[in-house]
Formats: sequence, C-alpha cells, structure tokens
Amino acid sequence: GQSLEQPSEVTAVEGAIVQINCTYQTSGFYGLSWYQQHDGGAPTFLSYNALDGLEETGRFSSFLSRSDSYGYLLLQELQMKDSASYFCAVIDKTGGGNKLTFGTGTQLKVEL
Amino acid sequence: DSGVTQTPKHLITATGQRVTLRCSPRSGDLSVYWYQQSLDQGLQFLIQYYNGEERAKGNILERFSAQQFPDLHSELNLSSLELGDSALYFCASSVVAGGPDNEQFFGPGTRLTVL
Repeated sequence: GQSLEQPSEVTAVEGAIVQINCTYQTSGFYGLSWYQQHDGGAPTFLSYNALDGLEETGRFSSFLSRSDSYGYLLLQELQMKDSASYFCAVIDKTGGGNKLTFGTGTQLKVEL
Repeated sequence: DSGVTQTPKHLITATGQRVTLRCSPRSGDLSVYWYQQSLDQGLQFLIQYYNGEERAKGNILERFSAQQFPDLHSELNLSSLELGDSALYFCASSVVAGGPDNEQFFGPGTRLTVL
C-alpha cells in the first residue's frame, strides 16, 4: 500500500520561508508531486520531482531524496495568498496507469 | 480556470439513489481521473481512463463505475448511495498525445450530499 506523512499545520509570517516535509512508504514510485488547494477550491499543480534534487519554480521549490523516501516543498517570500492546504502526492505508473496517492495535506497559515 | 469542467456543481440526493457526475477534460487531454475528497478520507484516487480505456484503479467501490466516451468526456456513476458517500468529487485531466502527463488539471468539483 501507500502512505504519505505530512505535518497537519504550519504557521509562518508574511515574507518568511517555510518548508513542508513529506515522507512516503509506497509499493510503486515514479515521482513526487505537490499540489495547492485553497478552501473550497480545486487542487492546482505546483511542482514535480522524479529524480533526486531540487526543482525551482519561482517562489516555490521542491526537493526529493528517493533513497530517504523524503521530499519537501519550500515556499519563499510568503504572501497572504499562500494560505492554503498543500498536498504531496506519489505518482505510481505501475501497469501503465498514472495513479496519484495524496498525503493528508498541510494547512499553511500566513500571518502578518 | 483549469479548462476542466464538471457538472453539476452541487447534488443533493437520498440514500439508496443513483447519480451521475459528468466531466469534460481540457481540450486535447486524453486522460481523465476521478478523485473523492472527504474530511475523514482526504483526497483519494478512484479511477483513470486514457482515450476510452481504463488505465488505473484506486479504492473505488463496486457501487461506483465510470466510463470515458469517444469525445473524451467522462461520467462517474454512483449507485446505492450511502451517507458516507457525501464528499467532493473531482475530475482531473492530463496528457496531450505524446506529451508529459505529470501535471494533472483539476476541475472545480461536484459536491455530493447524501441525506
């Protein structure tokens, strides 16, 4: 089976940097994705890592260590609009499909 | 706006009933995915279709079924509804032919309430 662990809640101030960690135990692993979801909204894609290392996309970066079954999302120069839930998700392409297993989500609160 | 549309936005029905949720993927996307999001279970993958064929299956109940039509839209059928089926149901799409499929585009969801 698949299990992913993330902190349930993180609080930070505007302008700060925050890191959201994700550890996973999976039977099939192709890559790790991150999605953002505002209350009542749809998840939106943030980043994806298939190989070890850091991927940077604007204020957001994502890191993966396959040997440690660990990844993180780094958000820099936090803005109030970044207050949302963040989900890591393991991509499993076993059998030719493209299955996403989501973590339980981390609620980020950005304060003034 | 992701380009994925879902209807209806809200659905209220009674236990034992059957409903159909509809999804139109982004123009050109061949894969459609269905997810269920509830407070106690989180965001759970149900099923994936690629160009009309089932490609991957998650924790989808036997009471639930889906299909993807030749025009690539998809429907999720939920039958013998129970209170616990109340949730937000998302459809997502990905992969233009020959392109990467690592990013999924989610629709706005259908909120199902079973009374």
